[in-house]
Amino acid sequence: SAVISQKPSRDICQRGTSLTIQCQVDSQVTMMFWYRQQPGQSLTLIATANQGSEATYESGFVIDKFPISRPNLTFSTLTVSNLSPEDSSIYLCSVGENGYTFGSGTRLTVV
Amino acid sequence: GENVEQHPSTLSVQEGDSAVIKCTYSDSASNYFPWYKQELGKRPQLIIDIRSNVGEKKDQRIAVTLNKTAKHFSLHITETQPEDSAVYFCAASKGSARQLTFGSGTQLTVLP
Repeated sequence: SAVISQKPSRDICQRGTSLTIQCQVDSQVTMMFWYRQQPGQSLTLIATANQGSEATYESGFVIDKFPISRPNLTFSTLTVSNLSPEDSSIYLCSVGENGYTFGSGTRLTVV
Repeated sequence: GENVEQHPSTLSVQEGDSAVIKCTYSDSASNYFPWYKQELGKRPQLIIDIRSNVGEKKDQRIAVTLNKTAKHFSLHITETQPEDSAVYFCAASKGSARQLTFGSGTQLTVLP
């Protein structure tokens, strides 16, 4: 299965600022997925990132708040913008080809 | 869209006993059903998966069963060990490379 490198592993950010999370995959994949896991909760899909096209966002998530880039078949970034304490969560990227795998996650704390 | 319900939310078993976690899904087009184990502070790890053309799959102490007609699938862990203690998530997808919809999770505690 694919190996994903995700960074940063954690960050503490001031409200009103932004955080960009990067995921690098060791093989080319068509789709990459971004999930949010709030404390003690399950995983919720934020968006699907396809190379060469706009990301597809799930209900409740918008591009202005969670802009995504997918410049090639092995890399994607998720930015969480205009941070508020409610954005404090773990953010994970995932790929589904050759078995679903997740990045190690980014623990974001907004203060 | 797809909705996945998972029960129970917590489960405590004695070491050596079996544990069963159940999930139901709503979208009959879903055809891929993975199970993940998530230890505290770590990423979800795929432990077993099943596709809709198979009714049961087993890997050592872990097995998954799927009832397409009833739209439910279950995880069975036999001879549980303390290291099986974790949160387990079921999920459903319309393809092995498509996005997953997760259940709410089950906190399994294996008591020594």
